[in-house]
Formats: sequence, C-alpha cells, structure tokens
Amino acid sequence: DIVMTQSPLSLPVTLGQPASISCRSSQSLVHSDGDTYLNWFQQRPGQSPRRLIYKVSNRDSGVPDRFSGSGSGTDFTLKISRVEAEDVGVYYCMQGTHWPRTFGQGTKLEIK
Amino acid sequence: EVQLVESGGGLVQPGGSLRLSCAASGFTFSSYSMNWVRQAPGKGLEWVSYISSPSTLIFYADSVKGRFTISRDNGKNSLYLQMNSLRAEDTAVYYCAIGRGGDVWGKGTTVTVSS
Repeated sequence: DIVMTQSPLSLPVTLGQPASISCRSSQSLVHSDGDTYLNWFQQRPGQSPRRLIYKVSNRDSGVPDRFSGSGSGTDFTLKISRVEAEDVGVYYCMQGTHWPRTFGQGTKLEIK
Repeated sequence: EVQLVESGGGLVQPGGSLRLSCAASGFTFSSYSMNWVRQAPGKGLEWVSYISSPSTLIFYADSVKGRFTISRDNGKNSLYLQMNSLRAEDTAVYYCAIGRGGDVWGKGTTVTVSS
C-alpha cells in the first residue's frame, strides 16, 4: 500500500500568517493516464471532510484562493497564504492513483 | 444542490451485521463512482470501498475484504454497504463520498460494535 506521510502533525499558526503542510507518498502518484491524483481535504471540528484541492493544484468551487496546492511525483504541499479563524481543523492528503486509496495521518491546524 | 445522506448505523454486537445506505440527490448518480470512507473515534480517515458507476469495478480495503459488500441501485440513486462479521475495530463514522477524488461527502452515520 502507498504510505502517505504528512508533516507537521500539529500546526499552531497566528491569525493572518501563512501555513504550509507537507505530504509525501511512498511511491510516485503519477497515474498511467498522466494525471496525478493527490487531493487535500479539510475537516472542521464536528463536520465531515470537505475537499479543497484535487489533482495536486486545482481548487474546488467555493474554496478561498488563500488555499493552494503544489508538488509532483511523491512530494506535495498545501499552503494557506493568510490563516483565518475558520481554517481551524484537520487537513488530510489522499492519493487516488493506486489501490487501495490511502490518506495521510492528518495535520491539526490551530490558532496560536 | 448535491446531497448525500447516510443511514443505517447503530449499535451491534460483535459478529453481527448492518446495512448502511447512502441516498444521493442533486446530481446524476448513475454517472459517478462512489466510495465508503470511515473514521474511528478520534482517528484519521480510512478508505473502505469503491464502486464504479456501472458496478463493474469494485475494490475493498484489506481490513474489510470478505466481510463487507458494496453495491448500488442507480434507479434508486442509492449506495449500500453490507457489513457482516462486525468487529470492535469497525466502530466508526461511515461516510459515502462521490467519485475518484472524494468530491463531496455526506455527514456520516455512526456504527458502534460492542457487547
């Protein structure tokens, strides 16, 4: 199985400051069709997960542009340009290239 | 509006069975693959199972293979998860999610396996 490793696991951030989460996969996530199926999800306290980013860098509808995704191969990053109070929660990366699908451990973002 | 509503969760004894349902609306259900994903209390996300739109492609996590069965009824816009031989470690919130990328998720239904 593909192992997804996120860091850090805990991320205290001051309001208005940037934040960055790393996600590394144990194998390349480039699919035979040429796409890279790496997604990012946000789970606010008490809520179900919501997808923010699909295929590395594509923002979902309604997601603020302060969220951005980048990376390639086995190394990916989610960045928040200026953290707001509503960004508190746990962030997960997930690979959709290989079976079984696998998630990172989650990164808990909190306000410092 | 795209909506997924899970149901069928509850308290069941070890070795028992449950059938989860996911009612879909607001999109063309028959055109999309679907997934079940679970989250144990205080833990992260674990993908459970996938079914393609015409039900020709099905995958399971090793942890549930041989015990769980995913199915769908495109005429009823519904996804199902038949769970047999339940174990304590199956205790979780079970979410259904659309598509390869988990485009949209439901609010989940809670399964508790305990004597």
